[in-house]
Amino acid sequence: QKEVEQNSGPLSVPEGAIASLNCTYSDRGSQSFFWYRQYSGKSPELIMFIYSNGDKEDGRFTAQLNKASQYVSLLIRDSQPSDSATYLCAVYSSASKIIFGSGTRLSIRP
Amino acid sequence: DTGVSQDPRHKITKRGQNVTFRCDPISEHNRLYWYRQTLGQGPEFLTYFQNEAQLEKSRLLSDRFSAERPKGSFSTLEIQRTEQGDSAMYLCAQAGREGSYNEQFFGPGTRLTVL
Repeated sequence: QKEVEQNSGPLSVPEGAIASLNCTYSDRGSQSFFWYRQYSGKSPELIMFIYSNGDKEDGRFTAQLNKASQYVSLLIRDSQPSDSATYLCAVYSSASKIIFGSGTRLSIRP
Repeated sequence: DTGVSQDPRHKITKRGQNVTFRCDPISEHNRLYWYRQTLGQGPEFLTYFQNEAQLEKSRLLSDRFSAERPKGSFSTLEIQRTEQGDSAMYLCAQAGREGSYNEQFFGPGTRLTVL
């Protein structure tokens, strides 16, 4: 079992719709959770972080955390073509390092 | 732009050669990480520094890899006797900015191609 698992996609969403990206993790001691966006050929860009159970909203992005289920999600509202990228889920583990998932490719179709 | 810079941005080398990459951080971030990323995968942790101390090294970091962070400032990652399997993007990230302890901010990366 991978430490951080994501569906590789591609996930295709029509422009203006909500994109929902999911991630599960194995280390119950994990405390911090991150979503990075990565465009092709570029480095990852931090877009959201969440430390507590529940929802955290920032503009069109909402991160959701459920520690009991070891589940993190990212919702992108009013999806735009510029949101087309790979989204990496990352978990700060009890071993004091960040573990990344393999990423989900998101494609927003006009 | 996170303010973290890496040099060079691209490196092509022949198998068996040594290469060195540099990461220049934001001065107030005290933790510096190195990752390796191959196509279709997320970044894989290699090593990290708290100021000048190297606190952890991944099993991925064979004895051909060495990293330094003299005086807690810039960092270098050296790969000796490169192999084709070393071809990847090498990413540097920083964390430890006041008020955002665990968030990591990446530099642009160095893409290594070993022929």
